[in-house]
Amino acid sequence: EVQLVESGGGLVKPGGSLRLSCDASGFTFTNAWMAWVRQAPGKGLEWVSRIKSKTDGGTTDYAAPVKGRFTISRDDSRNTLYLQMNSLKTEDTAVYYCTTLYYDFWSGYLNLFDPWGQGTLVTVSS
Amino acid sequence: EIVLTQSPGTLSLSPGERATLSCRASQSVSSSYLAWYQQKPGQAPSLLIYGASSRATGIPDRFSGSGSGTDFTLTISSLDPEDFAVYYCQQYGSSITFGQGTRLEIK
Repeated sequence: EVQLVESGGGLVKPGGSLRLSCDASGFTFTNAWMAWVRQAPGKGLEWVSRIKSKTDGGTTDYAAPVKGRFTISRDDSRNTLYLQMNSLKTEDTAVYYCTTLYYDFWSGYLNLFDPWGQGTLVTVSS
Repeated sequence: EIVLTQSPGTLSLSPGERATLSCRASQSVSSSYLAWYQQKPGQAPSLLIYGASSRATGIPDRFSGSGSGTDFTLTISSLDPEDFAVYYCQQYGSSITFGQGTRLEIK
């Protein structure tokens, strides 16, 4: 069974930093493309960042609101995904979900998300 | 950026009824790269439909998706009590954007 368990959320002041982790199991993490998606309290979903597998280049992508402040990375030896968040703003307050990109036999990896972890809450407030 | 607008914001129906949810894109969604997710209270979203009309693994056939270009629809043919949730559409043809969601509530 695929499991994604996020950790590292908490309360941080504006301008501060936080690192989120996502421990993955039940699938071949090394081959997986991974992503972070967030959801502000009572709001909709917002894609944050994506990282390809190392065999597919390991390239990263970011949504415009977080580019230059957030860094996604992976440690395949630990089956762990990370999100380093710097220069945090109040509008970054959200539940952050770790998720895998969906693999379609005919099309390869697609930018849609399945499954998801349960999320970790990040609150940016003074 | 492609903006997705979902309607209605809230849909009130009874178990056994048919639900029709709409997702309209500000530009054409390439290759029908349109997905639907279900999110129940306190839970993470889960994938229902991708490619506008393909059901994800394990999704019951009462869920169906249709549409192309800029207009897409999620239909639930006969509502089960467990279907009352929030539904999001997402396009993945040009970057990644989500709609604002439709809340499906029990009437």
